Amino acid sequence: AQSVTQPDIHITVSEGASLELRCNYSYGATPYLFWYVQSPGQGLQLLLKYFSGDTLVQGIKGFEAEFKRSQSSFNLRKPSVHWSDAAEYFCAGSGGYNKLIFGAGTRLAVHP
Amino acid sequence: DAGVIQSPRHEVTEMGQEVTLRCKPISGHDYLFWYRQTMMRGLELLIYFNNNVPIDDSGMPEDRFSAKMPNASFSTLKIQPSEPRDSAVYFCASSLVAVNQPQHFGDGTRLSIL
Repeated sequence: AQSVTQPDIHITVSEGASLELRCNYSYGATPYLFWYVQSPGQGLQLLLKYFSGDTLVQGIKGFEAEFKRSQSSFNLRKPSVHWSDAAEYFCAGSGGYNKLIFGAGTRLAVHP
Repeated sequence: DAGVIQSPRHEVTEMGQEVTLRCKPISGHDYLFWYRQTMMRGLELLIYFNNNVPIDDSGMPEDRFSAKMPNASFSTLKIQPSEPRDSAVYFCASSLVAVNQPQHFGDGTRLSIL
């Protein structure tokens, strides 16, 4: 069955430290993959997307993600975290022309 | 550009009352989605429309839930009668041309059923 898994429910990092949020997918073909961010009281905002081509994709707010077919992963990274990055992050995927499946989310806390 | 607009932002009502949530998608978007978000179940897709036609309503939890899209710029999600377990944040999202394209979310309606 198609699925998107975010293994980490909650992550805490210090401001200025690097960040990596994990996402694993289960799709037969090359999936369409997305990362969204949700700040408190707001809807989900698209950070970046991967459809095909270059496996390292750049997004907004200094985020990037790398598609690794061999590991079925699409991890989100940021070299230096800011306090304003504290939010919940959702990975989502679609196989072919199917609806998106969202992961359970990872809540990021940032220590000053 | 205006994003997806939802109303009301907050709704508090008593059990048994009818609740109507409203959504205006981004102009030109062909797909509209209704989601429910709770701590226990996360983000759940309830139903989605393509060109105003319901395509997949398999996520609608019960017959108490219904959704309509009378035109390209307006959709409603109705709960009748409402129950406390319906308390959640309900999101509307829209996307261009295909169901697997990036979705643009509204700010949600926080629903509390007492």
